[in-house]
Amino acid sequence: SAVISQKPSRDICQRGTSLTIQCQVDSQVTMMFWYRQQPGQSLTLIATANQGSEATYESGFVIDKFPISRPNLTFSTLTVSNMSPEDSSIYLCSVEGTGGENTEAFFGQGTRLTVV
Amino acid sequence: AQSVTQPDIHITVSEGASLELRCNYSYGATPYLFWYVQSPGQGLQLLLKYFSGDTLVQGIKGFEAEFKRSQSSFNLRKPSVHWSDAAEYFCAVGPFGNEKLTFGTGTRLTIIP
Repeated sequence: SAVISQKPSRDICQRGTSLTIQCQVDSQVTMMFWYRQQPGQSLTLIATANQGSEATYESGFVIDKFPISRPNLTFSTLTVSNMSPEDSSIYLCSVEGTGGENTEAFFGQGTRLTVV
Repeated sequence: AQSVTQPDIHITVSEGASLELRCNYSYGATPYLFWYVQSPGQGLQLLLKYFSGDTLVQGIKGFEAEFKRSQSSFNLRKPSVHWSDAAEYFCAVGPFGNEKLTFGTGTRLTIIP
């Protein structure tokens, strides 16, 4: 299993500013995933972050808006840049443990972001 | 492309009643199927998963799910719900290993006394 610590747990930010969300895992993982969960919606994958390479972004998400860092195998950050009220969401960090039938996704507690 | 459909946006059941949450998937190969629960203000917790073998899988908190390939379904069931089961439930499908999951839109479960 993996334990994921995500910070901050919540924040209220002014439009036009940026927020960096941190994700710390208690074990080394190859891939880390960042999801967005808009109010009343399901989870949408923003990007996949590999250590030592640029993140891979899903359709509709761009690096300028959501820059990601992955400096080592246990840590990643997601920045929400130049925020607008439409960015108000829960942002979740996830990792997947491998090992055949032990594969599952583990999630952080999420960061609840409100942009005013 | 893989996709997941949860046709019920919101379900209300009485405490002690049985529960079934529906999930249909579309996937080109053998799917790996998951059910997650998200309590208010919390992250996601895995309830159960199916990879292969017995099509009826048992999970935590008394939940079970049955994989039916012919119907492309993976419905979640519980014989008797408790007030603490009130939460959002997400079905997800994915390939094996370090690749992304695709989530359904979720079903919000409300429990009434």
